[in-house]
Amino acid sequence: KAGVTQTPRYLIKTRGQQVTLSCSPISGHRSVSWYQQTPGQGLQFLFEYFSETQRNKGNFPGRFSGRQFSNSRSEMNVSTLELGDSALYLCASSFTSGGAGEQFFGPGTRLTVL
Amino acid sequence: SQELEQSPQSLIVQEGKNLTINCTSSKTLYGLYWYKQKYGEGLIFLMMLQKGGEEKSHEKITAKLDEKKQQSSLHITASQPSHAGIYLCGADPIDGQNFVFGPGTRLSVLP
Repeated sequence: KAGVTQTPRYLIKTRGQQVTLSCSPISGHRSVSWYQQTPGQGLQFLFEYFSETQRNKGNFPGRFSGRQFSNSRSEMNVSTLELGDSALYLCASSFTSGGAGEQFFGPGTRLTVL
Repeated sequence: SQELEQSPQSLIVQEGKNLTINCTSSKTLYGLYWYKQKYGEGLIFLMMLQKGGEEKSHEKITAKLDEKKQQSSLHITASQPSHAGIYLCGADPIDGQNFVFGPGTRLSVLP
């Protein structure tokens, strides 16, 4: 089976811009979770989508949003970028929802905001 | 909310040495996961523990969950440079919370 893929791998944006990140889960997995990883805050949960519905949301401002398509692919959008949004964004797919069970992670998208 | 602490924060060992990384939860664990991350890359699943006293091994890595299900340890025997990376523990959500990760332990193995 192909693993979780994320595109793009690297992104450089300036403050105020918006960005869209993409995640394709493992075939058959219906849950996609997004995480933000920074040196200061570590790995923090953003949100989870299961069968096109947002199931859980972490403690992030409304500038962070996402969606999931019928083929389980997911996109994450960040609007009005701030310097503090610079991070590694990881998505993970799993067969079940709710974070229980093994999650398979993609390689991540490194976002740099200048 | 549930929080995970890991110790030590970082570890430098000589190749061939054994080492242990600990993960402590503020609440009872219902599912504890160990992941490894190469710097700047995605996480690789290592092991999952659910039952008190459970122990699992894969190659030279052994993970244990204590009887009270609030602490887990990851032990590496005869470490190799390929073991270097960041080890993170993660816990299944409880009480409507989200999946949570520990801060990670950075391991360096000197050849």
